Amino acid sequence: DFLMTQSPSSLSASAGDRVTITCRASRGFNNALAWYQQKPGSPPRVLIYAASTLQSGVPSRFSGSGSGTEFTLTISGLQPEDVATYYCQKYDDDVLTFGGGTKVEIK
Amino acid sequence: QVTLKESGPVLVKPTETLTLTCTVSGLSLSNVKMGVTWIRQPPGKALEWLAHIFSSERKSYDTSLKTRLSISRDTSRSQVVLIMTNMDPVDTGTYYCALIQEGSSSKAFDIWGPGTVVTVSS
Repeated sequence: DFLMTQSPSSLSASAGDRVTITCRASRGFNNALAWYQQKPGSPPRVLIYAASTLQSGVPSRFSGSGSGTEFTLTISGLQPEDVATYYCQKYDDDVLTFGGGTKVEIK
Repeated sequence: QVTLKESGPVLVKPTETLTLTCTVSGLSLSNVKMGVTWIRQPPGKALEWLAHIFSSERKSYDTSLKTRLSISRDTSRSQVVLIMTNMDPVDTGTYYCALIQEGSSSKAFDIWGPGTVVTVSS
């Protein structure tokens, strides 16, 4: 089975810190990798698609990189409103697996 | 503006079959290359992808749940239906449908429904 392993599962950082979340795939694929942000009681919203393209309206402090089997979401300058759970997802072909999520908190 | 709305029972009994409907408003599924997927989220847990239907009517399912799932599309009603058989309390959670534009212009699942909560209990 295809797996997306996301790390860390949770993190706590200070406002203004740079935060990095990683997703590793069990096999390589093209750049059809998305990052979503989910706040309690709401559906996820896409932040990044095609591994590194910022969705319209998303603050520029969010960025994505990577290819093949390893992908990264970076928040450059964590803000209080960024407290949420973040998920990666492979979204092409027949397997649309999500990573296990990373809960981000502010110290 | 394109919107999605999930509907279905709030409560189902163990061993029963769950039928959920995703209604798409603001576009016709027959006129555009859009795929629709179902995702669920147990309380306090991660997102789980369940099933997907492409504009071509091709279907794909999560491997571990494949024997219990069926997804179908009614383009005349702009609806996508998910059927899950033999429900168990561990299937309790929020069920979402989401929309994706197919092809090189895809922006992943950028439109989601608000979700519908399903509880499995006798």
